[in-house]
Amino acid sequence: RKEVEQDPGPFNVPEGATVAFNCTYSNSASQSFFWYRQDCRKEPKLLMSVYSSGNEDGRFTAQLNRASQYISLLIRDSKLSDSATYLCVVITGSARQLTFGSGTQLTVLP
Amino acid sequence: DTGVSQDPRHKITKRGQNVTFRCDPISEHNRLYWYRQTLGQGPEFLTYFQNEAQLEKSRLLSDRFSAERPKGSFSTLEIQRTEQGDSAMYLCASSPGTSSREQYFGPGTRLTVT
Repeated sequence: RKEVEQDPGPFNVPEGATVAFNCTYSNSASQSFFWYRQDCRKEPKLLMSVYSSGNEDGRFTAQLNRASQYISLLIRDSKLSDSATYLCVVITGSARQLTFGSGTQLTVLP
Repeated sequence: DTGVSQDPRHKITKRGQNVTFRCDPISEHNRLYWYRQTLGQGPEFLTYFQNEAQLEKSRLLSDRFSAERPKGSFSTLEIQRTEQGDSAMYLCASSPGTSSREQYFGPGTRLTVT
């Protein structure tokens, strides 16, 4: 079983739609949680950290449920520029290395 | 440009050859990481340096792989006797090593072994 699992998609949605991504992690000792965004053939970039209390950054809302070991990302009013792969990431080890899910591909259609 | 830089950006090599990649982290970031990413997968951790000390290595890092960070600044990743399965994007990331856990990635080196 992979340490971080995501629905690979692809998700194809029209502009303005709301889309939700889910992720589960297996190690209950995981310390920190993030969503990264990766454009085609580019490096991953931090989108937002994820907290149990939930956090919002503009059109993006992230939520962590430690009891269920579940992380979510909600994108409202999606834009063409949101098209990318969204990577669910956890930190578990003492080295603080990132453990990535396989990513969920999103395409926003005009 | 004050971001993480990697060189070369692309490398094509024949099976059995040795290759070396370089990573220059953000200045004063004392943590440096190497990851490998294959098509359709997320990046996978390879190894980690705190300053010049290599503190952790993934089981993915076979004996043919070696990494150094001699002066605690730039780092090199060498692959000896390359195999076709080594074809991947090799990503370097750095982190300030404070309470911040954010890692900043370089553009990667895409390796193709023919």
